[in-house]
Amino acid sequence: GDSVTQTEGPVTLSEGTSLTVNCSYETKQYPTLFWYVQYPGEGPQLLFKVPKANEKGSSRGFEATYNKEATSFHLQKASVQESDSAVYYCALSDHSGGSNYKLTFGKGTLLTVTP
Amino acid sequence: EAAVTQSPRSKVAVTGGKVTLSCHQTNNHDYMYWYRQDTGHGLRLIHYSYVADSTEKGDIPDGYKASRPSQENFSLILELASLSQTAVYFCASNNRGLGNTLYFGEGSRLIVV
Repeated sequence: GDSVTQTEGPVTLSEGTSLTVNCSYETKQYPTLFWYVQYPGEGPQLLFKVPKANEKGSSRGFEATYNKEATSFHLQKASVQESDSAVYYCALSDHSGGSNYKLTFGKGTLLTVTP
Repeated sequence: EAAVTQSPRSKVAVTGGKVTLSCHQTNNHDYMYWYRQDTGHGLRLIHYSYVADSTEKGDIPDGYKASRPSQENFSLILELASLSQTAVYFCASNNRGLGNTLYFGEGSRLIVV
């Protein structure tokens, strides 16, 4: 079945430093890739998604490129802020036979940004 | 914007007791889901439903039942709660036309003692 592996946390960074959260995936199909973010006390919410290989997604200063050859979708941000402290989830959904009813999530990466 | 509400937001249950977690969405979405969140495991799918009066097993359905009495409502039922079911539970919904984006509720924290 499908699987997603991402950087194990927790990750602690100082404000203004750069962030990379690695994400790799396995699937036999043609996935859409997602990054979700979960702020303390809230449910996860979509950060952005990329449905096509070799395209980039971005939101709120975060970005990731869908690398089909390397089966990777690493999340990056050049300069993190304290408000970026959250749990980040990489996820995939395949489109085979229209079976778009569920997502497969990674285990999540807890990011803490200190002032 | 999508609105998914869960109740209760927090509950303490006794081992062996029955627990019902409820979810209501006001977005006319076809699909509804129940996920479990645990440290070190991330989000795991328990049950889902794509139409009223029908539910499907997800990846970890053992010990859980689900009920979808209407398009708007989706419940998760623990008939005999166990210590291992202590976790945060999230309900979510989406439509096929939304490109799989899930809209989550705020979660229900369950502690089984």
